[in-house]
Amino acid sequence: SAVISQKPSRDICQRGTSLTIQCQVDSQVTMMFWYRQQPGQSLTLIATANQGSEATYESGFVIDKFPISRPNLTFSTLTVSNMSPEDSSIYLCSVEIGGMYEQYFGPGTRLTVT
Amino acid sequence: AQKITQTQPGMFVQEKEAVTLDCTYDTSDPSYGLFWYKQPSSGEMIFLIYQGSYDQQNATEGRYSLNFQKARKSANLVISASQLGDSAMYFCAMRGLYNDMRFGAGTRLTVKP
Repeated sequence: SAVISQKPSRDICQRGTSLTIQCQVDSQVTMMFWYRQQPGQSLTLIATANQGSEATYESGFVIDKFPISRPNLTFSTLTVSNMSPEDSSIYLCSVEIGGMYEQYFGPGTRLTVT
Repeated sequence: AQKITQTQPGMFVQEKEAVTLDCTYDTSDPSYGLFWYKQPSSGEMIFLIYQGSYDQQNATEGRYSLNFQKARKSANLVISASQLGDSAMYFCAMRGLYNDMRFGAGTRLTVKP
């Protein structure tokens, strides 16, 4: 498995501002993923972030709203830009270990936008 | 398009009994992986078990087993000897050829003492 940390663990932000969420892994991983979990809902994949290439976004998510960086094999950031109350969610990063067989999640960042 | 269906919004089970959580899927990918995750009230996602589409045997991990029926496109999770700590949301997920992971709506399991 892998030890995955996220910062911040939670935040309350004002409408119109931006928040950058960090994801740190204790081992080198090729593939990292960012998910959103809206209140009472399931998880939705935002984008896949591979080191050395542009992130691949899922339908309904755009780079201007959710820019992602992946500077090395242990770290990634997700920025939630120009936030609105609808962005209030838990944001989770996950990593793939050992091929597609195992995917582990960070503890999540609980974001509230007022 | 891939689709994961969990038809049980909530389930109750008596402590020490077994429970089956249903999951069906739909995909046209020739190769895919099926996952189950547990999400307690703390919000973390805990990986439970994985089944590859070409695996001949059903996956098992301790008290968890995955009842994989490929022809019926089902991947049910069986939890044996339920414990109070098993009370949580359980998500079924599938990952296809393009690495996109899709999650079902989830089942909230409550273990009664």
